[in-house]
This record gives sequence, structure tokens and C-alpha cells, in this order.
Amino acid sequence: EVQLLESGGGLLQPGGSLRLSCAASGFTFSSYSMSWVRQAPGKGLEWVSAMSGSGDKTFYADSVKGRFTISRDNSKNMLYLQVNSLRAEDTALYYCAKDHREDCSGTSCHLFDHWGQGTLVTVSS
Amino acid sequence: DIVMTQSPDSLAVSLGERATINCKSSQSVLYSSNNKNYLAWYQQKPGQPPTVLIYWASTRESGVPDRFSGSGSGTDFTLTISSLQAEDVAVYYCQQYYSTPPTFGPGTKVDLE
Repeated sequence: EVQLLESGGGLLQPGGSLRLSCAASGFTFSSYSMSWVRQAPGKGLEWVSAMSGSGDKTFYADSVKGRFTISRDNSKNMLYLQVNSLRAEDTALYYCAKDHREDCSGTSCHLFDHWGQGTLVTVSS
Repeated sequence: DIVMTQSPDSLAVSLGERATINCKSSQSVLYSSNNKNYLAWYQQKPGQPPTVLIYWASTRESGVPDRFSGSGSGTDFTLTISSLQAEDVAVYYCQQYYSTPPTFGPGTKVDLE
């Protein structure tokens, strides 16, 4: 059974930093691209970032480029998101999501078949 | 970026009745090389993460009841719930995965009438 468990969220002041983590199990982690998708309170879904299974390709939304960094450790089945220079508009529930297709690493890969429960990041002074 | 729009914003349907949600993309999400539409539908119930219902515009995900169906091609798509059940009360999102960034529609809230 595929499981994704996010952690690391919290309450921060504007300008703060945090590292979000996603522990994956139940599938061959290194074979799948993984993404972070966020959802502001009461709002819709916004894709944030993705990384290919091997880790050689990364993709970012314009809204976070230069501030957020995605990474993964395939030996530990872990996905990470380093979030820096936080703004109030970054307040959201951050989901870790698994790509549907194995060994898909291009720009048409972001179809998500499993999601974690999310970790909440709140940015407020 | 491809902009996704949905209509209506919300709808209320009686138990057993049909619900229809529309989704439009700002450019075609049909890949000519494989004739596939890179369009998915997700269901999100309150307090839960989204789950995928439909992908390739019309392929039902394993385990999804057959009352859910997807149709359309190019830029115009539809999700149909043929006979609404109480457990279908949720917000439904379309998403294109044709190009990066993947983008979602704003969502359609489905309630019981």
C-alpha cells in the first residue's frame, strides 16, 4: 500500500525558513517523480515543485522559484522541500504527491495518483 | 501557463440525479503524437487530500465507481456523475498535465439538493 507522510510544517514569521519532509513507502520510490502541491485555507490546489525519480530534473512554479528547493534521498525514500524567505501568501497545507507513471521525467508527467495528508505551513507576524 | 476554468462554481443535485461539471483549458491538451488528452479529474472531500478519478480525460482510475465518467478533447472536457450518491459530496478539480507547470481548475463544489 502506497503511503506518503508529510512533516515539518509550523508557524513562522515572514522571511523565515523551514524544511518539509515526506516519507514514502509501498512503492519503488526512485522510479517515480514526486511533487509538492499546496492548498491555501479554503482555496484550490496549486502545484509548487517536482523532482524526477533519479533527482536529475527539478521543476518549480514561478511563485516559489528562487525561494524553495526540492530534493530527495532515494536511499531513505524521502522527499524534501526547503522553503526560504516565506511570505504570508505561502500559508497553506503542503501535500506530497506521487506521479502516476513510472519512469516519467519530462514536462508532461505531473499526474498524481497518491497524496499524503499534508503538513500545514502558516506564515504570520 | 495553461489556464484551467471550470463551470459551474457549485451545483446542488438530488440523490440519484446526474451531475455535470465542465472544464476548459486555455490551449489544447491533446498530444498529437499519441492522441491522448493530458487531463485529469480529482475529487476532494472535506478534510481529505484529493484523489484521482479520471485521467487521459476518460480513463477511470482503478476502484473508481463507474457512475463517474469523463469526456471531451482538445480544450473542452466534462465530468459526469450519472447517479449522485451521498458520498459524492465533494469539490471536483480538473488538472492538465500536458505541460509544466501542471495547473488545476478552481474547483466545483457538489452538494446534495
